[in-house]
Amino acid sequence: GESVGLHLPTLSVQEGDNSIINCAYSNSASDYFIWYKQESGKGPQFIIDIRSNMDKRQGQRVTVLLNKTVKHLSLQIAATQPGDSAVYFCAETSNTGFQKLVFGTGTRLLVSP
Amino acid sequence: GAVVSQHPSRVICKSGTSVKIECRSLDFQATTMFWYRQFPKQSLMLMATSNEGSKATYEQGVEKDKFLINHASLTLSTLTVTSAHPEDSSFYICSARPGTGAREKLFFGSGTQLSVL
Repeated sequence: GESVGLHLPTLSVQEGDNSIINCAYSNSASDYFIWYKQESGKGPQFIIDIRSNMDKRQGQRVTVLLNKTVKHLSLQIAATQPGDSAVYFCAETSNTGFQKLVFGTGTRLLVSP
Repeated sequence: GAVVSQHPSRVICKSGTSVKIECRSLDFQATTMFWYRQFPKQSLMLMATSNEGSKATYEQGVEKDKFLINHASLTLSTLTVTSAHPEDSSFYICSARPGTGAREKLFFGSGTQLSVL
């Protein structure tokens, strides 16, 4: 659903580690999910998406897992690099109306060399 | 890939003035565009859905008379912040979807940082 929050949770990892970023969504009708990366002062950048008829999808160094039962989404980044440092948002949409995209609260990923 | 251009990237204005932000789809036609607002360290909050040739649909709590949206063509939507006040200072982001019907990825502009003095 709509996200509110004063502070972004932060995940700090070492370069080369695997990162897991979690997201809970609220709308049971949502059937399409996207992970975005946002660097400071820029717009969101598409990373990977998944439809509700799947529970896992892999891209290059990234994997998205979807658990519809508990309305949970995760993004796994393998061999995390300093360039992966950014804020990551999950977003959900349903195939109704304008199919508007609603963003989750976001997680800041800090990768130390 | 599809490109969405947003202009200006940064604007500073005096309280009480109006500011217009443009969002253009450069290499595709966008029937629908979305406007988001983002405060520091927070997520993107959808403000309104902009449809070409019709009135925008605003999210609950967003003042339509303050945030005027015009989607006059399939490649251009504008957001005008009228009588801006310091509390309107924020990062405004537009997005556009190529095609109609089936869901496709949204493409985002690079954002506009509005600072109202």
